[in-house]
Amino acid sequence: QVQLQESGPRLVKPSETLSLTCTVSGVSINSNSYYWGWIRQPPGKGLEWIGNIFYRGSTYYNPSLKSRVTISVDTSKSQFSLKLSSVTAADTAVYYCARLNNGYGSYPFDIWGQGTMVTVSS
Amino acid sequence: SSDLTQDPAVSVALGQTVRITCQGDSLRSYYASWYQQKPGQAPILVIYGENNRPSGIPDRFSGSRSGNTVALTITGAQAEDEADYYCNSRDSSGDHVVFGGGTKLTVL
Repeated sequence: QVQLQESGPRLVKPSETLSLTCTVSGVSINSNSYYWGWIRQPPGKGLEWIGNIFYRGSTYYNPSLKSRVTISVDTSKSQFSLKLSSVTAADTAVYYCARLNNGYGSYPFDIWGQGTMVTVSS
Repeated sequence: SSDLTQDPAVSVALGQTVRITCQGDSLRSYYASWYQQKPGQAPILVIYGENNRPSGIPDRFSGSRSGNTVALTITGAQAEDEADYYCNSRDSSGDHVVFGGGTKLTVL
């Protein structure tokens, strides 16, 4: 079955760069049917979209985070990655990677990773 | 702030019907999706498109749309439906994804 798994440091210092990778299995990342996205959820709060990437490299970012976010894809490893620079305590959150299905009309995130908690602290 | 507005909390008696709504201008142009999230778990998709359920989602979950409002209806709510529910869609530009603030559903 399709699985997404986040990996990366759980603790990041303020002003540094948060880096996470999502490994995709059970489906080709090289598909015209999907985008690949990152979503985060601060403790006790709601979901916030960070950005999406298509396997050919086109990206879409949340305007409120765009200046600090880079999402990239490595099709040879079936992975896509998130970098968020100049982090502060406000970036502490559970970070999810997810598959966005662009064949479903409403472009839903139909498969999610389990999420990884990243804490920004010195 | 969010481009999609949800009531923060809703309650329903066991076995009764509950409607959770989501409002936003972009919903006049784009379909929405609905997610269920239980504590400590990742969200799962329950409704997408006009009114479609992924495999494994009970048929007591349904979706609808009218004007700038979409709704998730649970007909005959069960105890296991107690969770946070989020809507999402695209923003007015069509290029970006937005989530509603979430609705906490309590089953009494």
